[in-house]
Amino acid sequence: NAGVTQTPKFQVLKTGQSMTLQCAQDMNHNSMYWYRQDPGMGLRLIYYSASEGTTDKGEVPNGYNVSRLNKREFSLRLESAAPSQTSVYFCASRPGHNTEAFFGQGTRLTVV
Amino acid sequence: QKEVEQNSGPLSVPEGAIASLNCTYSDRGSQSFFWYRQYSGKSPELIMSIYSNGDKEDGRFTAQLNKASQYVSLLIRDSQPSDSATYLCAVNMEGLTGANNLFFGTGTRLTVIP
Repeated sequence: NAGVTQTPKFQVLKTGQSMTLQCAQDMNHNSMYWYRQDPGMGLRLIYYSASEGTTDKGEVPNGYNVSRLNKREFSLRLESAAPSQTSVYFCASRPGHNTEAFFGQGTRLTVV
Repeated sequence: QKEVEQNSGPLSVPEGAIASLNCTYSDRGSQSFFWYRQYSGKSPELIMSIYSNGDKEDGRFTAQLNKASQYVSLLIRDSQPSDSATYLCAVNMEGLTGANNLFFGTGTRLTVIP
């Protein structure tokens, strides 16, 4: 039982490049989330998917897009990376709307 | 504006002492509350959840909730050096689209001194 798996773990991008962060969960959870974590800012919600086929913006969605490919997978895409998107990105899932979230191991992204 | 406030610390306690971590939140209607521990360079891991007013104990950890005061706390008894980490308070609150999402505080960094 792997839980929540993110790829890649580390990535360096040049300004303007694009990339997709992948996330998969094997816990049959309905809801999935993408957060970013910056020093002094805590975890901030980028996008979420309450169920398969739905996605919604969180607190800081600008510059990102998401796809809920199926119940297991939720990807985050940066179309044109900017240095302000340098951060640690966490994918999370939870079984219900009032329950705890389970996190992946994170992706450390640097945009130069 | 949904807010979860924590004292960023650092909080230093000697080994064997009680560490007390505090959190306040903005949404009076919130129903579920969580404490996560995050070691440096690692992902957050759940250590406690609490849904009702009062205390909830799990081993050396006690979570306390006071919904009237919009306050949740975490006590760590007999603190160990392995407890040194950042502790994140998370509160389930209604977001901009009406869905319930987890909002996090900035975390309190705890150091347990041997």
